[in-house]
Parts: sequence; C-alpha cells; structure tokens
Amino acid sequence: AQSVTQLGSHVSVSEGALVLLRCNYSSSVPPYLFWYVQYPNQGLQLLLKYTSAATLVKGINGFEAEFKKSETSFHLTKPSAHMSDAAEYFCAVSESRYSTLTFGKGTMLLVSP
Amino acid sequence: KAGVTQTPRYLIKTRGQQVTLSCSPISGHRSVSWYQQTPGQGLQFLFEYFSETQRNKGNFPGRFSGRQFSNSRSEMNVSTLELGDSALYLCASSASGARDTIYFGEGSWLTVV
Repeated sequence: AQSVTQLGSHVSVSEGALVLLRCNYSSSVPPYLFWYVQYPNQGLQLLLKYTSAATLVKGINGFEAEFKKSETSFHLTKPSAHMSDAAEYFCAVSESRYSTLTFGKGTMLLVSP
Repeated sequence: KAGVTQTPRYLIKTRGQQVTLSCSPISGHRSVSWYQQTPGQGLQFLFEYFSETQRNKGNFPGRFSGRQFSNSRSEMNVSTLELGDSALYLCASSASGARDTIYFGEGSWLTVV
C-alpha cells in the first residue's frame, strides 16, 4: 500500500531564505509523485509532478523537487522564499494510472519578513 | 478554459439529514475524484469515477455515495449526516488518471450541526 510522510507540520523561513519541505513515500511499484499547495479557503493547486521522466522536476512559482528512489524521497525546494509562498503544502503519491492520490498530512510554510 | 467547479461552496446541515454536492470537471476530462479534508484526518480519498463507472473507492461507510453522468459531471451524496462529516469536500478532475495533471476545485464546505 502507498503512503506519504511529510516531516514537520510547520516550517518557518525568512523571506529570501531557502525553502525545503520534506516528503518520503512508500510504494510497491514505481510511483507518480505530486506536490500541491493550498492557500486559505481554497482548493489545491498543482505545483509539480513526477511521472517517471526526469528525476529533477521543475514546477510553478520557482519550486522544484528531486525524485530519489534510493531514499524514497521527493523533497520540495525553492531557492528564495517569498511572502506569497506562505501556505500549506501537500505531497501525494499514486501507484496507478488511476486518479487515486494518497496525501501526506501537509506542511504549513510560514514566511517572515 | 474553465476549471473544476463545485457547488454549493458552503452549506450547513443538521444531523440526520442528507446532502448532495455537485462537481463539474474541466471540459474533456473523464475522471472525477472526490476527497474529504478535515483537520484531524487530512485529505482522504472517497471515490473516483471514470466514464460513469466507479473505478476506485476509499475506506468510507456506505453513507457516502457518488455517481457520474454522461457529461462527466459528478455528484456525491452523504446520507444520515453525522457531526464528524463536517469537512471540506474536494473534487478533482483529470483527462484519464494520475499520469495526467489532476486539477482540484475550490471545494464545498459542509458543516453539520
């Protein structure tokens, strides 16, 4: 069965600092991996996805993630945080071509000036 | 093009009542999934429909049901509402599955009193 662990329910960074949000997954087959962002009172917006092409995936708003099979990780990074990045971030995995996503518990990113 | 549209956005129901939520996927998308989001349990998969057939089902009681129409629009129904059903219900659509981009709607906020 697939599962996702996001380390840290809250991460605080200063504006301009590196953002690193951690995600580890468990999957019995090569997975599809996703990062979504949720702003208050809104739905989920896809940041990026990994579907077995390049291991370094670039997404929107300057975010990127690297798929590391040996570490079963898919950490999300951004070189320089912006105040507008403050939101909750979810890592998700899918084992099949169907649309069933298993989400992590989420990490709230707090950005201070 | 128009995104995933969910109606109603907010609703309040009484315990024991039933509720129907509606989702219009992005034009051309045949897969519609539903998720429940609560502070305690996070995002949990309810079910997925593809071409009017339920393709996947999560671990929810039979009070939760859904259907998909020939135009890909989907509805989910919750009967005999309980206080614990209070949640944000998110609908997601994709062309065919997880290999494609999965887009989420803004969600329907259900409060059971």
